[in-house]
Amino acid sequence: AQTVTQSQPEMSVQEAETVTLSCTYDTSENNYYLFWYKQPPSRQMILVIRQEAYKQQNATENRFSVNFQKAAKSFSLKISDSQLGDTAMYFCAFMGGNTDKLIFGTGTRLQVFP
Amino acid sequence: IAGITQAPTSQILAAGRRMTLRCTQDMRHNAMYWYRQDLGLGLRLIHYSNTAGTTGKGEVPDGYSVSRANTDDFPLTLASAVPSQTSVYFCASAPSGRTDTQYFGPGTRLTVL
Repeated sequence: AQTVTQSQPEMSVQEAETVTLSCTYDTSENNYYLFWYKQPPSRQMILVIRQEAYKQQNATENRFSVNFQKAAKSFSLKISDSQLGDTAMYFCAFMGGNTDKLIFGTGTRLQVFP
Repeated sequence: IAGITQAPTSQILAAGRRMTLRCTQDMRHNAMYWYRQDLGLGLRLIHYSNTAGTTGKGEVPDGYSVSRANTDDFPLTLASAVPSQTSVYFCASAPSGRTDTQYFGPGTRLTVL
């Protein structure tokens, strides 16, 4: 069974600095999809970024980028130029290539300080 | 405005009562999902529907039922609520399901006393 592990329950970063959130996963599949979702205090789950396992190039979305290491089964999220609005819970999620079921990690609570 | 709506926003319920959480999407997505979010456990899939008229069980289906009579609506019913069902419930949808990105509703906070 696939599992997703986020080993950092909480992290903090100063505004304008860079922070990296870790995520590892376990799967025997070769084709799959990985996601980072953000959950601010409003509770809404917001997609941050998506990575297809067959793509070697790391996905980027403005200040958000990932470091996808397929062999190591690692999928970290880098937030550059952190902003106060980045304060949220961040969830890493896995979807197998033959399913549509998302498997979530337990989340990392990120606090951005002024 | 396109998106997913959930109702109610929050609810306090006595144990043993029946409760239906509503979810409606206007994006014409085929696939819909229900998750529960508990502290320290992330989100876990309760039930899903790949298309209108079909449903399936997720990771934690016991005590819950769903129906999918049409594309837009995907209600989740607790037939006889128990305190362990206290949680935040999220509905999500995706265009066609497999490999698609899922988009989430705002959630319903349910407290069972």
